[in-house]
Amino acid sequence: LAKTTQPISMDSYEGQEVNITCSHNNIATNDYITWYQQFPSQGPRFIIQGYKTKVTNEVASLFIPADRKSSTLSLPRVSLSDTAVYYCLVGGLGGSSNTGKLIFGQGTTLQVKP
Amino acid sequence: DSGVTQTPKHLITATGQRVTLRCSPRSGDLSVYWYQQSLDQGLQFLIHYYNGEERAKGNILERFSAQQFPDLHSELNLSSLELGDSALYFCASSVGMGVTNTGELFFGEGSRLTVL
Repeated sequence: LAKTTQPISMDSYEGQEVNITCSHNNIATNDYITWYQQFPSQGPRFIIQGYKTKVTNEVASLFIPADRKSSTLSLPRVSLSDTAVYYCLVGGLGGSSNTGKLIFGQGTTLQVKP
Repeated sequence: DSGVTQTPKHLITATGQRVTLRCSPRSGDLSVYWYQQSLDQGLQFLIHYYNGEERAKGNILERFSAQQFPDLHSELNLSSLELGDSALYFCASSVGMGVTNTGELFFGEGSRLTVL
């Protein structure tokens, strides 16, 4: 199983760009990388997913280097409402890593200050 | 609204008791995952069902059991409850067996269990 490692916490200020990196050294060929956001007492919510290179949607960008052993979630111009826990999750269909276990790491608590 | 429904939203019970948490996945989703989240802790994977069959187990206690029914809803049964079982229990659903290239896990709002 691809274990993920993220910083425990990060601080930022409103309007800044925030980059959160996740390490997943033993990612399997068929694994995708997905990032989730969780607010207190709510279920996690999908942010973005990618396999390689760069993916961008209306809320974030995901950068994945060629070796895929890490990924970086980029949040442009954060606001106070982006204060949350961010999880990266590695898994996918088929391949040796797909056992049906989708295990979240400890996540990164992002605190956005005014 | 994720489309995943969990009941009850809140539950208070005593040690030694048994409770059942229910999850209705999004329409068309075949996979159901259960997670436990204790206060200020991460998401602990408990168990995964796909189309009625158990596919993977995480650190699920023997006092806990789950099943997925033919209509694809799932129930998580917690018995001989202890104080440490107090937590938020989340259910998530997805179309396939894992993270697909079309999307994601859809989480319910959770069931908050308090054991006194």
